[in-house]
Amino acid sequence: DTGVSQDPRHKITKRGQNVTFRCDPISEHNRLYWYRQTLGQGPEFLTYFQNEAQLEKSRLLSDRFSAERPKGSFSTLEIQRTEQGDSAMYLCASRDRVGFTGELFFGEGSRLTVL
Amino acid sequence: AQSVAQPEDQVNVAEGNPLTVKCTYSVSGNPYLFWYVQYPNRGLQFLLKYITGDNLVKGSYGFEAEFNKSQTSFHLKKPSALVSDSALYFCAVRDITGGSYIPTFGRGTSLIVHP
Repeated sequence: DTGVSQDPRHKITKRGQNVTFRCDPISEHNRLYWYRQTLGQGPEFLTYFQNEAQLEKSRLLSDRFSAERPKGSFSTLEIQRTEQGDSAMYLCASRDRVGFTGELFFGEGSRLTVL
Repeated sequence: AQSVAQPEDQVNVAEGNPLTVKCTYSVSGNPYLFWYVQYPNRGLQFLLKYITGDNLVKGSYGFEAEFNKSQTSFHLKKPSALVSDSALYFCAVRDITGGSYIPTFGRGTSLIVHP
């Protein structure tokens, strides 16, 4: 499968715990996005990487959230001291470097439930 | 700033009838516009895009969309709906004059096609 891969698909955790999600983009794509989607809402932008550089961050990305893309390939999104309001689907998407007239390729998402 | 409005939370249509899912947008400059579809517990899949040129664009699965600059709309259409078209549909916009590579998504419209 050469699509965007996310792991884990589901995560249940207790409030206050830390969680980490991983995203493996399509191999030739050097742009990577993280979005968050809650029930009944569209995807909300969190952060954007070009290669290993984090170029944009949403104000939604509080200091409890950190994202990395250390070698410009896979990316991780860590949430520290989780809160119930963090329960959501975390979506990763990638695209190639040739302009941006085209689409984002999304993974299946990582669903987080904070108890 | 860029934004998207999908005024209908849900659209119901009988199989074989034409369908329309509405989208209006707001940008400072010129828009790139996109439609995505999301099936339950899955990531988003690209359907079609408007970049420039012909106001009527055709995409996957028989869907098309009409760009109307004066009404700032980009409604999704299909001449004959299928039960399998039932899903969540998201409109997205990027302001190409703003210098950002981040698409903004609407909150989504649930399309239900009845047999």
